Amino acid sequence: GAGVSQSPRYKVAKRGQDVALRCDPISGHVSLFWYQQALGQGPEFLTYFQNEAQLDKSGLPSDRFFAERPEGSVSTLKIQRTQQEDSAVYLCASRSRGQGGTGELFFGEGSRLTVL
Amino acid sequence: QKEVEQNSGPLSVPEGAIASLNCTYSDRVSQSFFWYRQYSGKSPELIMSIYSNGDKEDGRFTAQLNKASQYVSLLIRDSQPSDSATYLCAVRGAGNMLTFGGGTRLMVKP
Repeated sequence: GAGVSQSPRYKVAKRGQDVALRCDPISGHVSLFWYQQALGQGPEFLTYFQNEAQLDKSGLPSDRFFAERPEGSVSTLKIQRTQQEDSAVYLCASRSRGQGGTGELFFGEGSRLTVL
Repeated sequence: QKEVEQNSGPLSVPEGAIASLNCTYSDRVSQSFFWYRQYSGKSPELIMSIYSNGDKEDGRFTAQLNKASQYVSLLIRDSQPSDSATYLCAVRGAGNMLTFGGGTRLMVKP
């Protein structure tokens, strides 16, 4: 596709439910990032993939958060047993080059998660 | 202390004025610096990148970097109401990810 595509755009979950957020990066982009953006805050890094390898997951806030990119393209961020503090916009971004490379980071429109 | 600090604002300037946005960072090995603009409810979009000390100009935008002071700024000349948005400073260190500041909300009043 022309840009980074994320789905769903909006998700309302009851506390304790599991959710899955999907990111379809720009075709051919090697690097994929997930960020969490709380209301009125800047994006906070969650995890980084280079192709299918998850090279950095230091930003994942707890073991309830899990991300994968099995074929090096589409990525899924899964949150188990959602809590109210998980409410945020989850941004996916991709970059054409891999680790150590430069290049612009392109963001998707985000998935807004509200946990009731 | 956050790694990337910005004044949250709002910064209010009249139309046609210069808006000055500032950012400090703590990691001395940071190599690349970026300014993103984010409209309400939208995703961040890159407006400027700067990698070496000094000024970089692109149209109405000028980014300034001072690595010794660990300071990066963005100047917007001839501010327009359409410039009203949150401006995010982002820094890339030795790793791959960008670390963002909390953003400064800019309001340009007609």
